[in-house]
Amino acid sequence: EADIYQTPRYLVIGTGKKITLECSQTMGHDKMYWYQQDPGMELHLIHYSYGVNSTEKGDLSSESTVSRIRTEHFPLTLESARPSHTSQYLCASSGGRGGVYEQYFGPGTRLTVT
Amino acid sequence: AQSVTQPDIHITVSEGASLELRCNYSYGATPYLFWYVQSPGQGLQLLLKYFSGDTLVQGIKGFEAEFKRSQSSFNLRKPSVHWSDAAEYFCAVGAMDSNYQLIWGAGTKLIIKP
Repeated sequence: EADIYQTPRYLVIGTGKKITLECSQTMGHDKMYWYQQDPGMELHLIHYSYGVNSTEKGDLSSESTVSRIRTEHFPLTLESARPSHTSQYLCASSGGRGGVYEQYFGPGTRLTVT
Repeated sequence: AQSVTQPDIHITVSEGASLELRCNYSYGATPYLFWYVQSPGQGLQLLLKYFSGDTLVQGIKGFEAEFKRSQSSFNLRKPSVHWSDAAEYFCAVGAMDSNYQLIWGAGTKLIIKP
């Protein structure tokens, strides 16, 4: 079944640690996105990609980085986690039959930095 | 600049009552319009979308939305809500000049009274 996956679902980590949030999709979509969302708040786009070897920063400044070496994989990395990075991170993809704007979301990763 | 406004931060509705969630957008041409739902701690699920044609669109879970060009609105409706409809609802707009990104509303939290 075509889907979009995120791991881990929950992560509690100490300040200064390097972390990578994984996102994979099996829908064959060329466009992928990372959003940051505080509880009960709106979504903020932090990174997006139009295809392999394409990455762009979004509207919200973020200290994270992304890579897109394979179509299906779009990991997000924080080199040195800080308490201000505590948030929910949502991965999405688009570009299938629904069109380039119809985004499909993963279940999210809730990150807590202590 | 394109924008999406969801005027109601919270809405409380009794179970079995009808529901209307408001969404207004600002864009010169006809945009692509979406409603998503987010249950607590989860990713977003697409409820319905409008690209063109019939201005009344049907979605999943018994929801519908009507595109009104003259009012720049795309309000979400349901004739009878269930307790399981309690969630956060997001309206989003995609436009030809938005680099395939969605412009998001701030969300409306739906609370269901028993």
